[in-house]
Amino acid sequence: RKEVEQDPGPFNVPEGATVAFNCTYSNSASQSFFWYRQDCRKEPKLLMSVYSSGNEDGRFTAQLNRASQYISLLIRDSKLSDSATYLCVVNPLFSGGYNKLIFGAGTRLAVHP
Amino acid sequence: DGGITQSPKYLFRKEGQNVTLSCEQNLNHDAMYWYRQDPGQGLRLIYYSQIVNDFQKGDIAEGYSVSREKKESFPLTVTSAQKNPTAFYLCASSLPLQTGNQPQHFGDGTRLSIL
Repeated sequence: RKEVEQDPGPFNVPEGATVAFNCTYSNSASQSFFWYRQDCRKEPKLLMSVYSSGNEDGRFTAQLNRASQYISLLIRDSKLSDSATYLCVVNPLFSGGYNKLIFGAGTRLAVHP
Repeated sequence: DGGITQSPKYLFRKEGQNVTLSCEQNLNHDAMYWYRQDPGQGLRLIYYSQIVNDFQKGDIAEGYSVSREKKESFPLTVTSAQKNPTAFYLCASSLPLQTGNQPQHFGDGTRLSIL
């Protein structure tokens, strides 16, 4: 089983739609969680951290469910510019003493007019 | 502006050749990382360094080497022993673990191809 699993998609949605991605992780002791965005042939960029109580940043909402070991990202009112691959990233507890991050393979989102 | 600079953007390697990818950061981060990304796959860790003059192997270190002589710089050499070097290489940096779990910030990558 992969340490971080995501549905590869693509999710094809019209502008203005609400879309949600889930991500599951295998290490129940994982400490921190992030969503990154990666445009085609570009580097990943931090979208938002995921906090235990859930958090929102504009049209983006992230949730954490520790009991079921998944995190989610909700995008409201999708824009064409939201088209990208969204990477789920987990920091496991037993990381050998360094700031280790485990990256999912990503979920591709395509927003169309 | 603070950031991470990788060079070159594109690099071609001949058979039997070693090539070196540059990574420089001015974020004053102690920790630096090298990843490799293949199409449809997640990032895989090659090497990491928590502090100057120290570095450790990641998950796929075979065929690669690094140095960390300065805080700002963490070059990666892809040696001829790496038989499948074609990939997108990403350098990242972060604050150290002691400051709490931190996100990593990436340079814009180097695409390496075989001639």
